[in-house]
Amino acid sequence: DAMVIQNPRYQVTQFGKPVTLSCSQTLNHNVMYWYQQKSSQAPKLLFHYYDKDFNNEADTPDNFQSRRPNTSFCFLDIRSPGLGDAAMYLCATSRAPRDSNQPQHFGDGTRLSIL
Amino acid sequence: AQKVTQAQTEISVVEKEDVTLDCVYETRDTTYYLFWYKQPPSGELVFLIRRNSFDEQNEISGRYSWNFQKSTSSFNFTITASQVVDSAVYFCALRMDSSYKLIFGSGTRLLVRP
Repeated sequence: DAMVIQNPRYQVTQFGKPVTLSCSQTLNHNVMYWYQQKSSQAPKLLFHYYDKDFNNEADTPDNFQSRRPNTSFCFLDIRSPGLGDAAMYLCATSRAPRDSNQPQHFGDGTRLSIL
Repeated sequence: AQKVTQAQTEISVVEKEDVTLDCVYETRDTTYYLFWYKQPPSGELVFLIRRNSFDEQNEISGRYSWNFQKSTSSFNFTITASQVVDSAVYFCALRMDSSYKLIFGSGTRLLVRP
């Protein structure tokens, strides 16, 4: 089945130790997104890629970076995780803007814990 | 400014009851899209429905139905004969035409008790 796959499902890292979360998709969608969702809150968009074009949200901390080496894969890098970065990280994909009525398709998420 | 309000933080019903989740949105754009997503305890966000601003036709899909009213800027979601498996957090979301960003409401946690 075509889908959005996130690995790992659970990630534990130490305070200040860089961590990378991965996302892959078989939907061949142009756009890939990363969201942060803290407990009992709505998902918050961090950034998105339209093909190779990177778009950062204004309030996304510099600590968060992303890479998209090809259409299928997208990575979220947290350079120096703090305790406040513990959250669920959701990857999503969608088609290009002229199809903006198309839904975003989400992966299962990676739950990040910081020790 | 665009905004989505889900005033119901948590709803608890007994199985087989009908339940309506409210969603009110704000936007000055004439073309926009509304979505409902379900987030079960496992964490993934599951797409349920999309509605375009120029299509006010209500929709029914099995036990689910959606009532879109532009006059009141509302897009409410009703589950008929609720089941325990419906227990989840439900998010309403808004997206502007040619914008990528989904603006989520704060979510409504639905608990369906046996």
